Amino acid sequence: AQSVAQPEDQVNVAEGNPLTVKCTYSVSGNPYLFWYVQYPNRGLQFLLKYITGDNLVKGSYGFEAEFNKSQTSFHLKKPSALVSDSALYFCAVRDMNRDDKIIFGKGTRLHILP
Amino acid sequence: NAGVTQTPKFRILKIGQSMTLQCTQDMNHNYMYWYRQDPGMGLKLIYYSVGAGITDKGEVPNGYNVSRSTTEDFPLRLELAAPSQTSVYFCASSNQGYNSPLHFGNGTRLTVT
Repeated sequence: AQSVAQPEDQVNVAEGNPLTVKCTYSVSGNPYLFWYVQYPNRGLQFLLKYITGDNLVKGSYGFEAEFNKSQTSFHLKKPSALVSDSALYFCAVRDMNRDDKIIFGKGTRLHILP
Repeated sequence: NAGVTQTPKFRILKIGQSMTLQCTQDMNHNYMYWYRQDPGMGLKLIYYSVGAGITDKGEVPNGYNVSRSTTEDFPLRLELAAPSQTSVYFCASSNQGYNSPLHFGNGTRLTVT
């Protein structure tokens, strides 16, 4: 069965510093990986995805993510954090063999400190 | 373009009552999903549908029912509300295909007392 792990409940980063939010996954086939962001009292918004090709993918708001097949990881990164990046971030995986189901991690709350 | 619309935004139910959470999308997406979000637990898939007339169970289907009579609508039914169903419910839709991201509604906050 497919699964996603986000090992950190919360990440604190000073404004202007680089940030990383971690995600590891498990699927039986090739993974399709996604990052979503959730602001208070809102639904999730799509940030970026990895399907195939370059291991470094770029998305909205200056975020990027690095796919590492050997470590089964898909960490979210940003070179310079903004206070407005403070939100709840979710990693999600879709199994290539079953593209109908999408499974989410527990979420990581990102706090950017001014 | 409204996207995914969920109603109501908030609801308080007594134990044993029933209700339907409504979800409609105007993007002609085949795939639709219901998730529940509990603090520290992330999103859990309740039910999903790959097209009109087709539904399937997700990770946590017990206590819920769904139907998909049209492409646009995917209502979630709670027959006998229980306190364990207190949660925030999100409906989402996507195009068919592995590279299609989900589009989410703004959620329904349900409290069962």
